[in-house]
Amino acid sequence: AQSVTQLDSQVPVFEEAPVELRCNYSSSVSVYLFWYVQYPNQGLQLLLKYLSGSTLVESINGFEAEFNKSQTSFHLRKPSVHISDTAEYFCAVSDQETSGSRLTFGEGTQLTVNP
Amino acid sequence: EAEVAQSPRYKITEKSQAVAFWCDPISGHATLYWYRQILGQGPELLVQFQDESVVDDSQLPKDRFSAERLKGVDSTLKIQPAELGDSAMYLCASSSVDYNSYNEQFFGPGTRLTVL
Repeated sequence: AQSVTQLDSQVPVFEEAPVELRCNYSSSVSVYLFWYVQYPNQGLQLLLKYLSGSTLVESINGFEAEFNKSQTSFHLRKPSVHISDTAEYFCAVSDQETSGSRLTFGEGTQLTVNP
Repeated sequence: EAEVAQSPRYKITEKSQAVAFWCDPISGHATLYWYRQILGQGPELLVQFQDESVVDDSQLPKDRFSAERLKGVDSTLKIQPAELGDSAMYLCASSSVDYNSYNEQFFGPGTRLTVL
């Protein structure tokens, strides 16, 4: 079984400031790691994923996350946020050993970018 | 671009009534998932189908919830009777099946259920 802990439920920042959303996970097997973004009353959109290879993964809109196996973390960062980044962000894991396995999500972090 | 379709987008019902949600996955996707997202929490899997077969329904409250995917394409999730605690967003996702690689899950827009 897996579990995901997102350490901050709410993160308020000012526009153009850097931000880090923290995620730790627990699993007895190897996992894939994900960050999803959710805008109000919408479904989930995949932001970025770690499957294998380089531990630093990037999205097309400037977010990046680094897989740290020793610390079992997958923190999300952006060097300069925009108002449009305001949304709920979910960290998730899935079991590498079972094809099509469920996603296990954290509780979410509400990122609010203020002008 | 292919998308997962869900309907209705919003549903308001009174407790003890029956409700049903529909999901049409991306064409060709054999795996279909129903997740429930309670306000302020992350989504949790209710049921997973591979074609028409249930492969995981361990978190489905079977006394009141049922799910079917009769022809292995679209799916219906039903609640009868609805309770106040069922108020949530119900998300459907689908993925293809490739046993040699990771299969990304694509999410629909969700159905927001409010039970009064």
